[in-house]
Amino acid sequence: DGGITQSPKYLFRKEGQNVTLSCEQNLNHDAMYWYRQDPGQGLRLIYYSQIVNDFQKGDIAEGYSVSREKKESFPLTVTSAQKNPTAFYLCASGVTGLGGEAFFGQGTRLTVV
Amino acid sequence: SQKIEQNSEALNIQEGKTATLTCNYTNYSPAYLQWYRQDPGRGPVFLLLIRENEKEKRKERLKVTFDTTLKQSLFHITASQPADSATYLCALRGYSGGGADGLTFGKGTHLIIQP
Repeated sequence: DGGITQSPKYLFRKEGQNVTLSCEQNLNHDAMYWYRQDPGQGLRLIYYSQIVNDFQKGDIAEGYSVSREKKESFPLTVTSAQKNPTAFYLCASGVTGLGGEAFFGQGTRLTVV
Repeated sequence: SQKIEQNSEALNIQEGKTATLTCNYTNYSPAYLQWYRQDPGRGPVFLLLIRENEKEKRKERLKVTFDTTLKQSLFHITASQPADSATYLCALRGYSGGGADGLTFGKGTHLIIQP
């Protein structure tokens, strides 16, 4: 089936550790996105990529890093520099250009313990 | 700064009535606006897209209007059902350096359809 897959669904991290969230799509989309969602805050854009080997910072990129070595994959690393990492993380993909809808994964809930 | 505003309070509607949700934006010149549905613990799902040169768009029981003068979109669900209960998000994409930016979302409106 075509779609976008995030893993794991739940993730626990100790303070001071880096952690990487996986996002894979087989929709042949050029654009991929990472969002963070907190209660009452809606979705906030962390990073996005419109083509392989290129990505741009979103509104809240500090404490996060990404890579886009393959079209299908856009992993997000939450570093120890992120002060409040506990949140629901959503990955999305879509066609480039202004008219494209976004297809979302099911999300990863990250909890710092 | 760019801002998208949706009703932050939950909207309670009686089953069978029309639910109307509002999305207002400032400091944007969007080429189009999108609406998504999100259920608890799930990713958003795309519903409708409306372009700046379109006044209205329909899909089954859904209708979206887009007024670029008022900088507002209205999202209507007619003959509402309890299964329509969810959070509804509007989203805009801006321009940056010749390419499209990431989609920016409003905080969403939680809709509750009561039987």
